[in-house]
Amino acid sequence: EAGVAQSPRYKIIEKRQSVAFWCNPISGHATLYWYQQILGQGPKLLIQFQNNGVVDDSQLPKDRFSAERLKGVDSTLKIQPAKLEDSAVYLCASSLDKLAGVSYEQYFGPGTRLTVT
Amino acid sequence: GEDVEQSLFLSVREGDSSVINCTYTDSSSTYLYWYKQEPGAGLQLLTYIFSNMDMKQDQRLTVLLNKKDKHLSLRIADTQTGDSAIYFCAETPGPRRSGNTGKLIFGQGTTLQVKP
Repeated sequence: EAGVAQSPRYKIIEKRQSVAFWCNPISGHATLYWYQQILGQGPKLLIQFQNNGVVDDSQLPKDRFSAERLKGVDSTLKIQPAKLEDSAVYLCASSLDKLAGVSYEQYFGPGTRLTVT
Repeated sequence: GEDVEQSLFLSVREGDSSVINCTYTDSSSTYLYWYKQEPGAGLQLLTYIFSNMDMKQDQRLTVLLNKKDKHLSLRIADTQTGDSAIYFCAETPGPRRSGNTGKLIFGQGTTLQVKP
């Protein structure tokens, strides 16, 4: 079974530029999460989708961050314009279904490391 | 509130047991997890425990849950150099019901260093 795929793996941009990250979850997984992991910290949830609907985006800085999951499969996360403090690893995770699964087992992709200069 | 705390660093010798500790604040947490992160990699789910359990064993891993003290620990028996990584404790806050989104609240991670 293929895991969660993310691209690109690394990105360096200047502040005020825009950037987009892509995620392809495990086949059949209804729930998709985007987490931000700043160096030395644990991941923090940015946004959660159930199929193509947003479940939780309370921690998403909506003035600069946006995310979509149009067909309930792939997702993109965009930052526009980027700030220095956005430098982090952006992790995508997926889970089978928040109600159907035995637990909320989330499977993580390798992440995209963003450096804003 | 939702908060998970871990010690930052642990160093052990190869072959010894490692014990990584975690405390959490949400007494209604349903599941508690341990994830492993190696350099440049995503997070790998090691094990999880349901809140009505006290202990779970999986090969070299033993998870202990003290719900009264809101304390979770991960014991790795016969620690190997390949176990060197950052270990994250995480919780799913709130009881399992339709309003619980299943999001994970992570601690800041414990770096495990295994010396040969």
